[in-house]
Amino acid sequence: GEDVEQSLFLSVREGDSSVINCTYTDSSSTYLYWYKQEPGAGLQLLTYIFSNMDMKQDQRLTVLLNKKDKHLSLRIADTQTGDSAIYFCAERAISGSARQLTFGSGTQLTVLP
Amino acid sequence: DTAVSQTPKYLVTQMGNDKSIKCEQNLGHDTMYWYKQDSKKFLKIMFSYNNKELIINETVPNRFSPKSPDKAHLNLHINSLELGDSAVYFCASSLGFVNSPLHFGNGTRLTVT
Repeated sequence: GEDVEQSLFLSVREGDSSVINCTYTDSSSTYLYWYKQEPGAGLQLLTYIFSNMDMKQDQRLTVLLNKKDKHLSLRIADTQTGDSAIYFCAERAISGSARQLTFGSGTQLTVLP
Repeated sequence: DTAVSQTPKYLVTQMGNDKSIKCEQNLGHDTMYWYKQDSKKFLKIMFSYNNKELIINETVPNRFSPKSPDKAHLNLHINSLELGDSAVYFCASSLGFVNSPLHFGNGTRLTVT
């Protein structure tokens, strides 16, 4: 079955880069996603990458995908206090006739001033 | 505003009661979902509907009954509420059910006392 794993916590200093890592098991994954959840809010789609890509950059965000190792990472450049949130990695995995979105446990990013 | 909106935002009720959570999206999507987020922030899919038809039905007690009157609405009715039902319930929608990203509502925090 599908399984998505992330480390639970990450602390960085303001201005540094943050790297949040994720591993997944379903080799049939086509798209992989990063979501951000701020306290008391829903999940906000940050970015996503197609499985035939190695890298995608979007302003301060860089997604790296190593399909061989089933490893996904999200790099946030020049991390700001407003980036403090929980970051979820997710993959689409087959469930019957549909591909359901399976989430990792989330990584709590704390940005220290 | 184009969005996924769910009501109520907070729901406090006693064990044994029956309650409903409503969800509406005006994004023109044809697929809607209910996810449950527990106290450890773990997200698990409960149901998914595509064009009003149930396509994902995970192992959820039959006290939970989704209803989709049209493709823009997906409501969740819960009978005989139990303490363990306390969680945040998220509605989401997507265009298609294969690869497109999910857009989430802001969640309904259900507390059963």
